[in-house]
Amino acid sequence: KNQVEQSPQSLIILEGKNCTLQCNYTVSPFSNLRWYKQDTGRGPVSLTIMTFSENTKSNGRYTATLDADTKQSSLHITASQLSDSASYICVVADRGSTLGRLYFGRGTQLTVWP
Amino acid sequence: EADIYQTPRYLVIGTGKKITLECSQTMGHDKMYWYQQDPGMELHLIHYSYGVNSTEKGDLSSESTVSRIRTEHFPLTLESARPSHTSQYLCASSAPQRGGTDTQYFGPGTRLTVL
Repeated sequence: KNQVEQSPQSLIILEGKNCTLQCNYTVSPFSNLRWYKQDTGRGPVSLTIMTFSENTKSNGRYTATLDADTKQSSLHITASQLSDSASYICVVADRGSTLGRLYFGRGTQLTVWP
Repeated sequence: EADIYQTPRYLVIGTGKKITLECSQTMGHDKMYWYQQDPGMELHLIHYSYGVNSTEKGDLSSESTVSRIRTEHFPLTLESARPSHTSQYLCASSAPQRGGTDTQYFGPGTRLTVL
């Protein structure tokens, strides 16, 4: 069973609008949570990474939040641009192994229309 | 932009062929990874390495093999490709960051199609 669930599966918004993507996880013990952006045909690129003690982190127009108690995270995109069209992947790392195993969500496919 | 490279970017081959997917990074990272990703699905770890001469199998069973003779190079080999191997293969590397986390840097991927 996938321990990282993302919603919605896909989303279409108009350029300039804001949107929020959701991530729920059951990974335990928790180490950190990352959001990646993956353009079509490319590898994922890291947007933010948050540890247990952090509940918000920003990277330009991207703001991620983390509620470690409810095991939920969100990624808020402000003033969307056409270049924001991509898949956004939530990734949770556990601290139960030396590798720091990563659990990947299936991503939210965001399309920004002009 | 991460300095991690994969070749080829696209590969179409026939069943039974032997192929090697190349991955190299110039960041001096000790840890390297291979992931498999099908459209609309999550990434699955198939191989990883902690450093030179270290290789381990990941979560997803794979008929591929890897080697790590040099820090910067982590090739993946399929001895006999089959249509079930059709997928996107992503290579990544990482190094420890402040706070105990390590950010993975991904290559652009190789889209493999086996006919």
